Amino acid sequence: AQSVSQHNHHVILSEAASLELGCNYSYGGTVNLFWYVQYPGQHLQLLLKYFSGDPLVKGIKGFEAEFIKSKFSFNLRKPSVQWSDTAEYFCAVKDTDKLIFGTGTRLQVFP
Amino acid sequence: DAEITQSPRHKITETGRQVTLACHQTWNHNNMFWYRQDLGHGLRLIHYSYGVQDTNKGEVSDGYSVSRSNTEDLPLTLESAASSQTSVYFCASSVGNEQFFGPGTRLTVL
Repeated sequence: AQSVSQHNHHVILSEAASLELGCNYSYGGTVNLFWYVQYPGQHLQLLLKYFSGDPLVKGIKGFEAEFIKSKFSFNLRKPSVQWSDTAEYFCAVKDTDKLIFGTGTRLQVFP
Repeated sequence: DAEITQSPRHKITETGRQVTLACHQTWNHNNMFWYRQDLGHGLRLIHYSYGVQDTNKGEVSDGYSVSRSNTEDLPLTLESAASSQTSVYFCASSVGNEQFFGPGTRLTVL
């Protein structure tokens, strides 16, 4: 079965810093990949998704992710973070109709 | 607007009690899921359903059960609550490739 690894458990940044969160999945073939965000006290919301085509995916709020098949990776990036980006970020891979989630990365952005 | 709701939002119960968490969606999605969220584990799948009368075990199904008598609802039952089941529980439904999540239920088992 698929699995997902998120290597950064807790990231602390200042506003305007660049962000990259790592995500690796376990095996290849056709994959559907997702990044979800959970703001404090709220439910998960979809940031972006990759199914096929252009490996650089743009999502909401200025986030983007790059699918690199040779590295089994789907890293999330944002060129300049804001305080409002403080949240927990989850990478997920679709396995049949189920989602397999990583353990999450807590991002704290300080003004 | 179509939505997915969970109730209660917060619940405190005692070890050994039976607890049922409700999940209701108005999108008419066939697929519904229950996850628990724990620090250091992310979200783990408990049970899921692909339609009425269909239920399947997920990664961490021991001590939990679900039933699907209609499209809109997938209640999650803890048969005999244990302290290890203290967690935040999220329900989700999906159509195609995207899952939509409910607001969560924070369950504390004392």
